[in-house]
Amino acid sequence: DAGVIQSPRHEVTEMGQEVTLRCKPISGHDYLFWYRQTMMRGLELLIYFNNNVPIDDSGMPEDRFSAKMPNASFSTLKIQPSEPRDSAVYFCASSALLLSYNEQFFGPGTRLTVL
Amino acid sequence: SQQGEEDPQALSIQEGENATMNCSYKTSINNLQWYRQNSGRGLVHLILIRSNEREKHSGRLRVTLDTSKKSSSLLITASRAADTASYFCATVHFSNAGGTSYGKLTFGQGTILTVHP
Repeated sequence: DAGVIQSPRHEVTEMGQEVTLRCKPISGHDYLFWYRQTMMRGLELLIYFNNNVPIDDSGMPEDRFSAKMPNASFSTLKIQPSEPRDSAVYFCASSALLLSYNEQFFGPGTRLTVL
Repeated sequence: SQQGEEDPQALSIQEGENATMNCSYKTSINNLQWYRQNSGRGLVHLILIRSNEREKHSGRLRVTLDTSKKSSSLLITASRAADTASYFCATVHFSNAGGTSYGKLTFGQGTILTVHP
């Protein structure tokens, strides 16, 4: 398996633009997570899905952020409009309930810079 | 907050020495996991210890858990330059959100380990 795949790896955009981050989880995993990592706040869970259904989005910072999972092999995290404070590394991770005790597999991340 | 807190924030040692990192947390957990992150990469799961376990080994890694003190430690023995990375503890507690029972991971701020050759 190729592991969790994220695209793009790097994104530079201007304030006010829409940004879409993409994730392909490991095949067979039924949980998908979106995290954000910054120096100031560390690694924060934004939202997670179970069987394509959003379960907990309490970590989504504000309405500018939205996430979808139209099928088991694809998820997007969208920021509209983007702001400089959204600059961070965004990670997608997946997991399977049958795995003992919730080990998560992380993608390589998308480094977002909002100018 | 459920968040684990690692100590020290940074650790610099020579190859061959042992490295010990500590993690403290605030509330009861189901299990605790340690992850490694190399610069510019995603996190990689290292080892998991359940709340009813006190010690666990995996290769050169040794993890202890003291639930009475709400703390855990990660020991890397005979360190190598390739062990240079950030190490995070993640506490897991189960919620029943959405009708499913699943453990969310809450990560600490991490310890930056540098192993000099």
